[in-house]
Amino acid sequence: DTGVSQDPRHKITKRGQNVTFRCDPISEHNRLYWYRQTLGQGPEFLTYFQNEAQLEKSRLLSDRFSAERPKGSFSTLEIQRTEQGDSAMYLCASSLSWGELAGLETYEQYFGPGTRLTVT
Amino acid sequence: DAKTTQPPSMDCAEGRAANLPCNHSTISGNEYVYWYRQIHSQGPQYIIHGLKNNETNEMASLIITEDRKSSTLILPHATLRDTAVYYCIVRGYTNAGKSTFGDGTTLTVKP
Repeated sequence: DTGVSQDPRHKITKRGQNVTFRCDPISEHNRLYWYRQTLGQGPEFLTYFQNEAQLEKSRLLSDRFSAERPKGSFSTLEIQRTEQGDSAMYLCASSLSWGELAGLETYEQYFGPGTRLTVT
Repeated sequence: DAKTTQPPSMDCAEGRAANLPCNHSTISGNEYVYWYRQIHSQGPQYIIHGLKNNETNEMASLIITEDRKSSTLILPHATLRDTAVYYCIVRGYTNAGKSTFGDGTTLTVKP
């Protein structure tokens, strides 16, 4: 399967614990995005990488959240001192990008299956 | 980012065409219209996108009005497996390709 993969698919943790999620994008994709989705709502943008550089972070991404993409390949999203409000589906997506100088950006994003986090 | 407005829910009979509308009245000239769908507990799945011309692929057709302020996703022969939440998004290079999702339309295909 050459799609976006995420690990683990489900994570149950106790409040205050740290958790880390992994995303493996489609191999030739240089952009990687993280989204969060709570029940009944659409996904919300958290952050994105162009190769290994983290170029934008949403205000939703508090100081307890950190994301990395070493070597521009897989990415990890870590949540420290989890809170019950962190319970959600965490989605990863990847895409190609021409870059801003190329003008219109038309490449679609491919999403992974998500990691469902439950904080008890 | 341009915002989109979609009806919260729609029903469709199996085998009939499903027409899902989307309003995006503040879309700018460099923004494309994208459609995704999300089946329960899965990640969103790309369906189709377009700029101003109508588009068709193996999954669906996309009709964009001449003024680009609205569009319609058409599933020509809906099946039970098309039951999902459908999201309409507008996106261009000025927002680095990140997608701003609304709450989408829950399409229920009934036998």
